[in-house]
Amino acid sequence: DAGVIQSPRHEVTEMGQEVTLRCKPISGHDYLFWYRQTMMRGLELLIYFNNNVPIDDSGMPEDRFSAKMPNASFSTLKIQPSEPRDSAVYFCASSLRRTGGSDTQYFGPGTRLTVL
Amino acid sequence: GESVGLHLPTLSVQEGDNSIINCAYSNSASDYFIWYKQESGKGPQFIIDIRSNMDKRQGQRVTVLLNKTVKHLSLQIAATQPGDSAVYFCAENRGGRGGGNKLTFGTGTQLKVEL
Repeated sequence: DAGVIQSPRHEVTEMGQEVTLRCKPISGHDYLFWYRQTMMRGLELLIYFNNNVPIDDSGMPEDRFSAKMPNASFSTLKIQPSEPRDSAVYFCASSLRRTGGSDTQYFGPGTRLTVL
Repeated sequence: GESVGLHLPTLSVQEGDNSIINCAYSNSASDYFIWYKQESGKGPQFIIDIRSNMDKRQGQRVTVLLNKTVKHLSLQIAATQPGDSAVYFCAENRGGRGGGNKLTFGTGTQLKVEL
């Protein structure tokens, strides 16, 4: 398996522009997570899905952020409008729920977003 | 609020020595803990995990110890190699709606291996 795939790897945009980050989870995994990583705040969980349904979006910073998972093999995280403080590395991770077992999350390589 | 935190932000060790990275957690309800390794420019990579009903678990060159009495977790790396240089995160699974594996991460420890 290729692992979790994210695109683009790097994104530079100007304040006010819309940004869309993409993720393809590991095939067969039923959980998908979006994280944001900054030096100041570390790794923060933004939202996660189970079987394509958003379960917990309490980490989404504000209404400018939205996430969708139209099918089991694709998810997007959108920021509109973007602001300089959104600059961070955004990670997608996926896992497979195992009954009675631990559910290791596998991370993608991340998208480094810079908002000027 | 409750959080997962690391004692040392940076740890420098000599190649070949053993490394110990520590982590404190505050949520007694967490039922399992994970260590991740993150190299520069990459996503976190799973190293080892441990459930709350265990005290110790060993992997290849790594051992995780869990002390529930003092809410302390440690990662021991034997015979540290230059390739072990990275940031190490502990994370706890506090459970989540839908039975998902919602993780809360610590701030991370930078491990530097000196030749």
